[in-house]
Amino acid sequence: KNQVEQSPQSLIILEGKNCTLQCNYTVSPFSNLRWYKQDTGRGPVSLTIMTFSENTKSNGRYTATLDADTKQSSLHITASQLSDSASYICVVSDRGSTLGRLYFGRGTQLTVWP
Amino acid sequence: DSGVTQTPKHLITATGQRVTLRCSPRSGDLSVYWYQQSLDQGLQFLIQYYNGEERAKGNILERFSAQQFPDLHSELNLSSLELGDSALYFCASSPRDRLLLYGYTFGSGTRLTVV
Repeated sequence: KNQVEQSPQSLIILEGKNCTLQCNYTVSPFSNLRWYKQDTGRGPVSLTIMTFSENTKSNGRYTATLDADTKQSSLHITASQLSDSASYICVVSDRGSTLGRLYFGRGTQLTVWP
Repeated sequence: DSGVTQTPKHLITATGQRVTLRCSPRSGDLSVYWYQQSLDQGLQFLIQYYNGEERAKGNILERFSAQQFPDLHSELNLSSLELGDSALYFCASSPRDRLLLYGYTFGSGTRLTVV
């Protein structure tokens, strides 16, 4: 069964600190993995997208890693800011025969305190 | 602004009623996807349309239906509403029916509250 599991479910850190969010998946065949940031009550916004051959991709203070062998990804946030408080969602796409499907994790709720 | 427009932003209605949510995809996008996100739940895929035709179905209840019109906007109809239908409903669009590496964009959602 294709699944995406994220950990931790929630995380509280102090402003300026770093943190790492985890994503494990069983989706096969794998096409790409995306990390989204979802502010409360808003639509998800894409942070990074990685294919099978990419190990690391950065977007400002966000760095995503992918290990396609172990089917794990992480999102590292450096020098956190109050505006980083949001839900971070890992989404994996398969290479279906007719169309790719997206499989969503339930997200990690990050809270940054001043 | 993502380019995907959803209306209304908020909707409050009573149990048993019927509502219609509207989505205008990003200019040039042919495919529209509908998602439901209940409190503390992940995004649940409901249904996809491509250029007016239904392409994929997810966990969509029989009380729910959708369509995509010739101008490519889409409507999600929810009927016989129950308290458990209270959720955020998101629309996303992409250029084609196949999920490309880029170009998959979410709208800001409609918050439905059933009382």
